[in-house]
Amino acid sequence: DVKVTQSSRYLVKRTGEKVFLECVQDMDHENMFWYRQDPGLGLRLIYFSYDVKMKEKGDIPEGYSVSREKKERFSLILESASTNQTSMYLCASGKGRQGSDTGELFFGEGSRLTVL
Amino acid sequence: GNSVTQMEGPVTLSEEAFLTINCTYTATGYPSLFWYVQYPGEGLQLLLKATKADDKGSNKGFEATYRKETTSFHLEKGSVQVSDSAVYFCSVETSYDKVIFGPGTSLSVIP
Repeated sequence: DVKVTQSSRYLVKRTGEKVFLECVQDMDHENMFWYRQDPGLGLRLIYFSYDVKMKEKGDIPEGYSVSREKKERFSLILESASTNQTSMYLCASGKGRQGSDTGELFFGEGSRLTVL
Repeated sequence: GNSVTQMEGPVTLSEEAFLTINCTYTATGYPSLFWYVQYPGEGLQLLLKATKADDKGSNKGFEATYRKETTSFHLEKGSVQVSDSAVYFCSVETSYDKVIFGPGTSLSVIP
């Protein structure tokens, strides 16, 4: 069974703290993504990666960075958390535009981050 | 830039009613199009997809047709059930593997 695992379901952090969100996939997918999900705004793309050590900015990268040192792992980093980064964070992986399953993403269960 | 627009929700329908959720997109090249569904308390999962113009994706009684001339991918179902209550997201994969989503449409089906 395919699986995308996010390290923490719930986190509570204080303003200014550094926050790491980890995501691991076991499907040997090339592409990995980080989104945040907010009511009324849907899913907004923060960063994505199409290969190890490669990354591309999404639509809202400000205040975030990412790391992909291994194919199966994609980390989202908040260098200095702020209250407006309180949100649900979703990790996803996919094959990309190769093969018949082009584009389908598999999602983790999400990490709900609260910044106080 | 690339974007996805969906009809505003929430949508409330009676069981067995006809459902349409509109989706239009802006993207260069030849994007692939998707509908994802998020049931209450669950993660997002793929509902259906279409990878080229005039393709029709279908699953669980839902259908959507890739209309390149109108840049649309409207979701339809002829007879909704209470179990279809969920949030539906239209999604576009651009030529460079970037995948973006619309804001989501919440559907409630009442008996």
